Amino acid sequence: GAVVSQHPSWVICKSGTSVKIECRSLDFQATTMFWYRQFPKQSLMLMATSNEGSKATYEQGVEKDKFLINHASLTLSTLTVTSAHPEDSSFYICSASLRTGDSNQPQHFGDGTRLSIL
Amino acid sequence: GESVGLHLPTLSVQEGDNSIINCAYSNSASDYFIWYKQESGKGPQFIIDIRSNMDKRQGQRVTVLLNKTVKHLSLQIAATQPGDSAVYFCAENYWGNFNKFYFGSGTKLNVKP
Repeated sequence: GAVVSQHPSWVICKSGTSVKIECRSLDFQATTMFWYRQFPKQSLMLMATSNEGSKATYEQGVEKDKFLINHASLTLSTLTVTSAHPEDSSFYICSASLRTGDSNQPQHFGDGTRLSIL
Repeated sequence: GESVGLHLPTLSVQEGDNSIINCAYSNSASDYFIWYKQESGKGPQFIIDIRSNMDKRQGQRVTVLLNKTVKHLSLQIAATQPGDSAVYFCAENYWGNFNKFYFGSGTKLNVKP
């Protein structure tokens, strides 16, 4: 149980392109999902908290106009990197918890999306 | 807050030995902690968790120790196997923080056959 799927797993595109990454909870409903960014040999950096039916909450220093998050259903959140540039190249990972509103629940992670901007 | 490492420290152990991975967390209000394992090119995988009302918790071949006084967490892996080779992260959370977790800088475990 608690499977999170991300798509695509790998994408290469030209500078200036917008790229959409999908995160799905396959066997549970996730009112809240989380988006992380990870550079090589570094830790996961929380970018934003995605709330179903409302605006995402972004961590300090994360540009909300650059990283658009939509959470239209209880099983799907999307992250769109708008007008991507080489410095946006990274490994993006989403996660979800079984219950929301609570703290102290494990997050279950997708397998990430490797984004490379040429 | 979040903790991002500039590079990953590496722990090399012989197959069959016990491994101990350490983590210092930053927020004294944190009351829930998780150890995650991340293999190359994949997302983190839950290993074991512990709440602040405990100082030790055991799973299958793994034990987590929590020392709140010095804000220190450790993961012990018994009889380490080649399949344990990965990067290990601790993550912290506190009640009321909407289940947001902040990750430690990570340790790469290299198991030598």
